[in-house]
Amino acid sequence: QVQLQQWGAGLLKPSETLSLTCAVYVGSFSGYSWSWIRQSPGKGLEWIGEISHSGDTKYNPSLKSRLTMSVDTSKNQFSLKLSSVTAADTAVYYCARAYCGGGCYSLFLDLWGKGTTVTVSP
Amino acid sequence: QSVLTQSPSASGTPGQRITISCSGSSSNIGSNYVYWYQQLPGAAPKLLIYWTDQRPSGVPDRFSGSKSGTSASLTISGLRSEDEADYYCAAWNDGLSAVFGGGTRLTVL
Repeated sequence: QVQLQQWGAGLLKPSETLSLTCAVYVGSFSGYSWSWIRQSPGKGLEWIGEISHSGDTKYNPSLKSRLTMSVDTSKNQFSLKLSSVTAADTAVYYCARAYCGGGCYSLFLDLWGKGTTVTVSP
Repeated sequence: QSVLTQSPSASGTPGQRITISCSGSSSNIGSNYVYWYQQLPGAAPKLLIYWTDQRPSGVPDRFSGSKSGTSASLTISGLRSEDEADYYCAAWNDGLSAVFGGGTRLTVL
């Protein structure tokens, strides 16, 4: 059964860099696009961005200047780095798989990780 | 404030048919597919509807999606207690980014 397992530091200080990794277990890594979505406490969902298995990226313009996504196909993993974090970046961060078939559909997110809670506090 | 607008809450009784709406613009809903997600308390979101009106395998046919102009709807027929959750619409916003609605919390009375 295909699973996404994610991990990373859960407590950061302002100005530090958030770093999360998501691993794909059992299943194809190529042929999909790999996404990050976050949810601030008590709030809705925010699309952060996505990266294809070949490394092509799409970023949310509001986060683009601080965002780096990367992929390691040898390990079936993809990663997120968000620099210069503030309290506004406190959220549950989810990794997810986007379906690709004749094109990739950024919001066709059919498989999700369990989420990682990231808190930014002095 | 979300680019896609949803009512914050909705409610219904078991067996009832309810509709959750999502309002956008010509840049998002009006020109792109709409997706719906269900998020149970403490869980990750789950894809409920893709390509505006398609259900992934395993999603009951009680759930249906539609679109008219710049608005989309999720309809749940035969409401059940386990449908109590938050529901989010989503669409690509042309030239910019993927966007989600603010979510609708459904209460089954």
